[in-house]
Amino acid sequence: GAVVSQHPSRVICKSGTSVKIECRSLDFQATTMFWYRQFPKQSLMLMATSNEGSKATYEQGVEKDKFLINHASLTLSTLTVTSAHPEDSSFYICSAASGGNEKLFFGSGTQLSVL
Amino acid sequence: QKEVEQNSGPLSVPEGAIASLNCTYSDRGSQSFFWYRQYSGKSPELIMFIYSNGDKEDGRFTAQLNKASQYVSLLIRDSQPSDSATYLCAVNEVLGGGADGLTFGKGTHLIIQP
Repeated sequence: GAVVSQHPSRVICKSGTSVKIECRSLDFQATTMFWYRQFPKQSLMLMATSNEGSKATYEQGVEKDKFLINHASLTLSTLTVTSAHPEDSSFYICSAASGGNEKLFFGSGTQLSVL
Repeated sequence: QKEVEQNSGPLSVPEGAIASLNCTYSDRGSQSFFWYRQYSGKSPELIMFIYSNGDKEDGRFTAQLNKASQYVSLLIRDSQPSDSATYLCAVNEVLGGGADGLTFGKGTHLIIQP
């Protein structure tokens, strides 16, 4: 099946630094990728929809200047958490669809811990 | 605001029994319904999807959809300890979806007791 690779799997950083998370579709092209955030024992919350070659669409309440999304190619989307703070500590997951949503595949997730 | 509601559990079921997981959704226009399994610290994996009212069976799993009641469920027959995980219900307003994000419930934590 289709594979979505996400890197890094875990990152610990100091408050105020920026962290970049990469999401790659390995064997299919994805014009659209999705970024989710999940706090412990909570649901996956859609943060933004990443569109290749255009600006990302952010969900209400998500700061676009803090969570920078770049979808430079059909196989790569990046999420940069700028000036991270402890409240940004969460599990970030990307996903991409190789067709309809029944072919939606998730990356392995990135556990971000901001000290 | 679209909402997907699930009982967080934990739901404890003896090994070999049927586990029944339930989900309700607020958007009556929802067209696509998905069940994902998520192990602790891992990303979700798709178990089943259903688009039409009624039952859909795949191995030990059966998804049931009732659009009039805005209710979708997942039955797991012959439950195994390896089925212990959090099960996420997800909904999309587009049939089949593709370029639209899913709305997830908080998930039900299922424990299969050996």
